[in-house]
Amino acid sequence: KAGVTQTPRYLIKTRGQQVTLSCSPISGHRSVSWYQQTPGQGLQFLFEYFSETQRNKGNFPGRFSGRQFSNSRSEMNVSTLELGDSALYLCASTRLVAGGQFNEQFFGPGTRLTVL
Amino acid sequence: DQQVKQNSPSLSVQEGRISILNCDYTNSMFDYFLWYKKYPAEGPTFLISISSIKDKNEDGRFTVFLNKSAKHLSLHIVPSQPGDSAVYFCAAAPAGNNRKLIWGLGTSLAVNP
Repeated sequence: KAGVTQTPRYLIKTRGQQVTLSCSPISGHRSVSWYQQTPGQGLQFLFEYFSETQRNKGNFPGRFSGRQFSNSRSEMNVSTLELGDSALYLCASTRLVAGGQFNEQFFGPGTRLTVL
Repeated sequence: DQQVKQNSPSLSVQEGRISILNCDYTNSMFDYFLWYKKYPAEGPTFLISISSIKDKNEDGRFTVFLNKSAKHLSLHIVPSQPGDSAVYFCAAAPAGNNRKLIWGLGTSLAVNP
């Protein structure tokens, strides 16, 4: 079974530009979460999508947005890039099981975004 | 407010010895805890988990202990191997329908040959 894939793997942009990152979850997984990882800040939750709807949202400005398609693929967009947006952006998918059980998230390799 | 705390940013141990990584949490609503391992330039990978109804879960060289009264969990790696060198993240999920993971900042483990 293929894992979570993220494209592109590396990206260099300049301040003020916008960027779109893509994530394809594991087949059958309908929940996709996005995280930002920077040194010393751990994994900062951006948002979670399930069945094309944003179900959870972290504390990021409105410049960060996302969406999910009917095939569960997800994109996140960052507009008006700032230097501080340089980070590793991780996508994780989860297979939800009935009964309220928690299921671990499976992460993609991430997209390394550098803002110059 | 950091609800999941990994107070040691780094840890160094000798190959063959035990590695103990600690994690403290503040929210008593957390009922599921996970450990992830992350190598550079890769996404985190799930390592081991524990439900709040247990106090220990073991998987090979990895054991997680949960002390609910102290709101503390720890990951033991025995024996430690150089390939275990990575950043380890502790994460917790609250009970209920909105089981959004709350993450610690990670502990960087270096296992020296």
